[in-house]
Amino acid sequence: NAGVTQTPKFQVLKTGQSMTLQCAQDMNHNSMYWYRQDPGMGLRLIYYSASEGTTDKGEVPNGYNVSRLNKREFSLRLESAAPSQTSVYFCASSSLAGVRTDTQYFGPGTRLTVL
Amino acid sequence: QKEVEQNSGPLSVPEGAIASLNCTYSDRGSQSFFWYRQYSGKSPELIMSIYSNGDKEDGRFTAQLNKASQYVSLLIRDSQPSDSATYLCAVNTGYNNNDMRFGAGTRLTVKP
Repeated sequence: NAGVTQTPKFQVLKTGQSMTLQCAQDMNHNSMYWYRQDPGMGLRLIYYSASEGTTDKGEVPNGYNVSRLNKREFSLRLESAAPSQTSVYFCASSSLAGVRTDTQYFGPGTRLTVL
Repeated sequence: QKEVEQNSGPLSVPEGAIASLNCTYSDRGSQSFFWYRQYSGKSPELIMSIYSNGDKEDGRFTAQLNKASQYVSLLIRDSQPSDSATYLCAVNTGYNNNDMRFGAGTRLTVKP
């Protein structure tokens, strides 16, 4: 049982380049999330998808786009990378949207550096 | 003002001691509260969740919630070197998981 998987694990980009971070979960969860984690700032929500076919902005969506490809997969795209997007990116999933007690399960993370 | 605040640490305790981790939050309407553990270079994993005022115990871990004081804490009894990690406090400020706010974390070191 893989849980939440993310690719790639590491990536270095030059300013202005684009890339897509991939996330997949095999737990049949409805909701998926993208967070970034920066030193001293904790995890911040970028985008989330409450269910297949829906996406919505989180706390820090600028510079990112997402696609909920199907129930399993949720991708994060940087169209024109900037040094401020250097961070560790975590994907997470949970079984139900709108249930306050629900647990989020995190993927292993992608460490992105933008030069 | 940060929504969820934690002391960054590092907090150092000897093996076998009680480690006490604290968290305050600003949104008085917050509904649910979580403690995650994150080892260096790894992803967060849930340790405890708490929703009502008072204490909740799970093995060596006890979460304490005081909504009037907007304060949540985590006690780790009989601390082990394997407990050395960063502990993240997370607060759900609404009724959906998209309203989750995380603190920056407290780094705990348990010395043998």
